[in-house]
Amino acid sequence: DAGITQSPRHKVTETGTPVTLRCHQTENHRYMYWYRQDPGHGLRLIHYSYGVKDTDKGEVSDGYSVSRSKTEDFLLTLESATSSQTSVYFCAISEPRRFNYGYTFGSGTRLTVV
Amino acid sequence: GEDVEQSLFLSVREGDSSVINCTYTDSSSTYLYWYKQEPGAGLQLLTYIFSNMDMKQDQRLTVLLNKKDKHLSLRIADTQTGDSAIYFCAESGTGGSYIPTFGRGTSLIVHP
Repeated sequence: DAGITQSPRHKVTETGTPVTLRCHQTENHRYMYWYRQDPGHGLRLIHYSYGVKDTDKGEVSDGYSVSRSKTEDFLLTLESATSSQTSVYFCAISEPRRFNYGYTFGSGTRLTVV
Repeated sequence: GEDVEQSLFLSVREGDSSVINCTYTDSSSTYLYWYKQEPGAGLQLLTYIFSNMDMKQDQRLTVLLNKKDKHLSLRIADTQTGDSAIYFCAESGTGGSYIPTFGRGTSLIVHP
């Protein structure tokens, strides 16, 4: 999607290893979000950020940490990957002053933990 | 807490109209959205409606909002096979929260 990119697009990793996913935006939006999407569960919020160094937990934050040192970058780290973290991860951005623009999503990262 | 409910599947014939329904619980939501997700892709904003509106039309898409019943619907006229996708209903955060709540998505299957 224009203005927001996720990397990598695909990753296979071993159980117990740390993994970092990156979300980069060029829209200067204040809010950034990390979701995971699993069959039967829809989208579940992991963590979100409302500014540089300002982050908070979502509904499924256990086993994940985030960092935002610059407006444009929001990193999601799986501290010690487990098979239950195999999922598709989406980053999204929003700007409260532009609610009618909704939330813009990245193309996703498909993570497989073996 | 906030919750957004959708039926999981809808099957229609090409050329017919599709109606995807959604119910939500937070009556103070400011914006309600419909997103489309095609296979292997992220969610794409289709349309939105502001909470003080009853209806919004955008080409083949019609959004109806019944605030009393907290019911939102998306009608796609002349459904095409390219409309096959997962459709998500979402409500904007409220009360100073900008955290949206998404439904689980409705898989629309369009048969030739």
